[in-house]
Amino acid sequence: DTGVSQDPRHKITKRGQNVTFRCDPISEHNRLYWYRQTLGQGPEFLTYFQNEAQLEKSRLLSDRFSAERPKGSFSTLEIQRTEQGDSAMYLCASSSGGREETQYFGPGTRLLVL
Amino acid sequence: AQSVAQPEDQVNVAEGNPLTVKCTYSVSGNPYLFWYVQYPNRGLQFLLKYITGDNLVKGSYGFEAEFNKSQTSFHLKKPSALVSDSALYFCAVRGGFKTIFGAGTRLFVKA
Repeated sequence: DTGVSQDPRHKITKRGQNVTFRCDPISEHNRLYWYRQTLGQGPEFLTYFQNEAQLEKSRLLSDRFSAERPKGSFSTLEIQRTEQGDSAMYLCASSSGGREETQYFGPGTRLLVL
Repeated sequence: AQSVAQPEDQVNVAEGNPLTVKCTYSVSGNPYLFWYVQYPNRGLQFLLKYITGDNLVKGSYGFEAEFNKSQTSFHLKKPSALVSDSALYFCAVRGGFKTIFGAGTRLFVKA
């Protein structure tokens, strides 16, 4: 399978706990994106990596959120001290860059904070 | 700043009839436009994109989209709808590295 994969697919946690999500992009893609999608809305941009460099972060990404892509391959998104408002679908996408780039999305991780 | 509007929350169409899902955009510079489809509890699947060239873009599963620069629109179309087309459709515009998505339009195709 050469698609984008995400793990876990579902996560239920209690408020105040930390959670970490993983994204494995398409192997030859050097760009990786994280989005958050809440019910009834389109995906909202969170952050973007070019290889291992995090080049942009949205204002949506509070200090409790951190993302890494240590070797320019897989990426992790960590949320510390989760709040109920963090409940959402977290989507990862990857692309090969360039003017005609197309982002390909993973299946997402659905987070529920109780 | 770029933005995307999908004016219809929901579109209902009978199987076999043509369908249109509307999208208008605002972007400085050349627009790079995309349509994605999302099935329940799944990520987004790429359907088609407009970068440059012909205003009519053909994509996956028989879908096509018409780019209209004067009306700043990029409507998604299909000549004959299938029940299996029922899903959530997102229009998106890219400016630089950032892609902005619309709120989505839910398509119901009735048998």
